[in-house]
Parts: sequence; C-alpha cells; structure tokens
Amino acid sequence: QSALSQPPSVSGSPGQSVTISCTGTSSDVGSDNGVSWYQQAPGTAPKLMIYEVGSRPSGVPDRFSGSKSGNTASLTISGLQAEDEAVYYCSSYTSNNIHILFGGGTKLTVL
Amino acid sequence: EVHLVESRGGLAQPGGSLRLSCAASGFTFSDYEMNWVRQAPGKGLEWVSYISGSGRNIFYADSVKGRFTISRDNARNSLYLRMNSLRVDDTAVYYCARVGLLYRLLDMDVWGKGTTVTVSS
Repeated sequence: QSALSQPPSVSGSPGQSVTISCTGTSSDVGSDNGVSWYQQAPGTAPKLMIYEVGSRPSGVPDRFSGSKSGNTASLTISGLQAEDEAVYYCSSYTSNNIHILFGGGTKLTVL
Repeated sequence: EVHLVESRGGLAQPGGSLRLSCAASGFTFSDYEMNWVRQAPGKGLEWVSYISGSGRNIFYADSVKGRFTISRDNARNSLYLRMNSLRVDDTAVYYCARVGLLYRLLDMDVWGKGTTVTVSS
C-alpha cells in the first residue's frame, strides 16, 4: 500500500489561513474509511487534531477544520498562530486488507 | 491521568531480535484498541501493527508481516511488540498509541513518548 500524498511544505503569516491537501485513492481516502490528521512538533509524539474527516477531539481549537472531496482530504488552519508550526500528517486506511496509511507529512512554517 | 510509557528500545544487529513493551495507566486498558507506529530518523510516520482490545484481531504492515508480533496482556495493562529478523531499515522511534474509544482504528488519541530502536552491525 502506498502512502498518501501531501505537499512537502506550506507557509503562512500569523492570522492567515492555510490548507494542506492529502490525496489517496478510492480504496482509502475516497472510501467511507475516514480521514484523520495529526500534528507533530519537533521532538514530540504526534497529536490527533481531526478524525472522521472533520471532527475535532476535545481541546483542539476550532481554527482547525477538515473536509474531503473525492479522493482528496484537506486540513485548513485559520487564524494561524506561531504555535501551529509543526509537521502535519494525514491518515486513512484500506478496508479490504486492513492497513493504516499515513501521508508523507507537510511542514507548516508560520512566517 | 492517561499515560503510555514504552520500554527502552536498544541496539540490535541485523537478523537479531528485540521486544518492546508499553505500559498503560489511567484508563481501562482492555477497553481500547492499540497500535504501534514508527518513525525512521528524519522521516514520516509509518503504521506497524494493530491489536483489538481482546487481542483477537491483529493486523500488520507488509513491511513487518512475518517478522514482528504484536500482543497484549490486559491483566498487566501492557502492550508488546516482538521484533525478529531485524533489518537496518527497522531503525526508528517506535510509538505505542491508543485508539480512541468508539473511534476508528486509525484515530489514535493518546501516544507514548516513543522508544528508539537501532539496527546496526
């Protein structure tokens, strides 16, 4: 199973919005299997930011939102803050032969 | 407070074996599905293996299938990963991660700090 496809980097200024895309196939992102997003700051473990395409765990600011269209999912961060600078990973899974897939990661730089 | 603490990883030679453990606290361990996820130096996340709360359902990434074995001891609140026939490309930080209750298996809401496994001659 191939990893999901993400842009290597995105950037934005404080207060702006950025969107990170995640492209898979009809067997994973494009199916009914859900999409999650994780945030990983340097030297730390990943943190779940979005699950079920667009749901936020408690404690995650509503500046973070997720959506999906076809085989591509998106994470949008609005009102960028310096603390948002991190690597973001999308995730989905294949249901015919259960494999959890991650994207290659997108480094967000807050200018 | 909810915690996952991985045991110290270590150094192994190619072809060797290691066993990782992950101690859970602060929640009813048997109620939760668990995953192992790894991250090679400077690389992205790679899912390794999944186990259901009862231990009955288990899945592996193709890269480790036949070499790694996931297991759990609910009485000891512990998760394990037995790694055999280790290869240089198994070198990574290994995380144990809890699947959120009633979440899908890919939705990991609690992670350990990770433990480093180095495979080198």
